[in-house]
Amino acid sequence: ETGVTQSPTHLIKTRGQQVTLRCSSQSGHNTVSWYQQALGQGPQFIFQYYREEENGRGNFPPRFSGLQFPNYSSELNVNALELDDSALYLCASSLRGGDEKLFFGSGTQLSVL
Amino acid sequence: GESVGLHLPTLSVQEGDNSIINCAYSNSASDYFIWYKQESGKGPQFIIDIRSNMDKRQGQRVTVLLNKTVKHLSLQIAATQPGDSAVYFCADQNYGGSQGNLIFGKGTKLSVKP
Repeated sequence: ETGVTQSPTHLIKTRGQQVTLRCSSQSGHNTVSWYQQALGQGPQFIFQYYREEENGRGNFPPRFSGLQFPNYSSELNVNALELDDSALYLCASSLRGGDEKLFFGSGTQLSVL
Repeated sequence: GESVGLHLPTLSVQEGDNSIINCAYSNSASDYFIWYKQESGKGPQFIIDIRSNMDKRQGQRVTVLLNKTVKHLSLQIAATQPGDSAVYFCADQNYGGSQGNLIFGKGTKLSVKP
């Protein structure tokens, strides 16, 4: 176990809805990264948060947004859900200024109908 | 562009044999590589990493080899066990870019036959 926890574990939404996914980072970590993993594919980088600000973003539209809180936990928000947003969403925490290794949670499985 | 991929999508080995999983990368500026193991229903689990100033690194039952000349990375698992059955991903992280931005390959599914 990595100590990174995500909630909920599964979620079903309909197209056009909005969703919020949550992540608690491993104790001692100050950075959170979010990844999207489609079925049969490797994870794809969405964005990273450090000091409550976005610090790097992958090729995802603005309807993917996030937050980081003072306790280093994080949220991923997706607006105007599309069918292709169905995927496993992974959160990873790390320590900037330390060895910077990423430790992943078990993910939230999002299904958009 | 940058890409990290695997040569074989599936690998089946006999319990006790050694496994070798290969990976190619295209970005010559890549300076850090990581292998992850992902079991069904779980997130990727860190196995071993290597920096570009090294050719080989060993862990417990695992060895990673890096050949910068041909941009090739491999993961060797000694005495493969049923618990090693999973999907293995190589990932590339360029510290010149966004930290935490790992570029993953598609993965190799390792199946261990008893």
